[in-house]
Amino acid sequence: SSVLTQPPAVSVAPGETARITCGGDNLGTYSVHWYQQTPGRAPLLVVHDDSDRPSGIPERFSGSNSGNTATLTISRVEAGDEADYYCQAWTGRSDHFGGGTKLTVL
Amino acid sequence: QLQLQESGPGLVNPSETLSLTCTVSGVSITSSGHYWVWIRQPPGKGLEWIASIHYHGTVYYNPSLKSRLSRLIDTSKNQVSLNLTSVTAADTAIYYCATRVGGVAEALEDWGQGTLVLVSS
Repeated sequence: SSVLTQPPAVSVAPGETARITCGGDNLGTYSVHWYQQTPGRAPLLVVHDDSDRPSGIPERFSGSNSGNTATLTISRVEAGDEADYYCQAWTGRSDHFGGGTKLTVL
Repeated sequence: QLQLQESGPGLVNPSETLSLTCTVSGVSITSSGHYWVWIRQPPGKGLEWIASIHYHGTVYYNPSLKSRLSRLIDTSKNQVSLNLTSVTAADTAIYYCATRVGGVAEALEDWGQGTLVLVSS
């Protein structure tokens, strides 16, 4: 089982807002990063250091991290956002990935 | 532009040693700012961190795999390699090489395309 806990699946209609959570003990004290993975492709960094976006990632992607929960928020969801999303954090001496959340765009 | 290319045997017999290589272009693996990271993904499953390697000697291994792991750095070929001994079917996965810049807790900015390894007789 993962140290970081994600819901297996989230569904949202186009144009709505998707929120994907990542839970862990005192997660707010660590930097959390988020990756998007589509079938057959390597993961792509979409949010780093809790809430920063790499260049080229739409502003629709945002993040937050406080207490025991980090959240990836995708606003105005598009069909192309359908993918698996993983949170990741370094917690001292190990990297950890969440189990992944499959985002379905209805 | 930084590029990462993984290579591996494709098929490995159970109990043998899996050797993986990450060939880096666009930056020297001796760069003090880079960690070279191995991650794997069993078919249909999630991501698992394997190891983070710094040229200057710092290495972090997944505790669950540590006893079976060793790393090799070839500066002449700009490659970072990883050996995993005594493989079983549970080691069947896509193996990715990635890099982070600035520190061990930084995000994995660049990834290779991955190489599929099947452990089977």
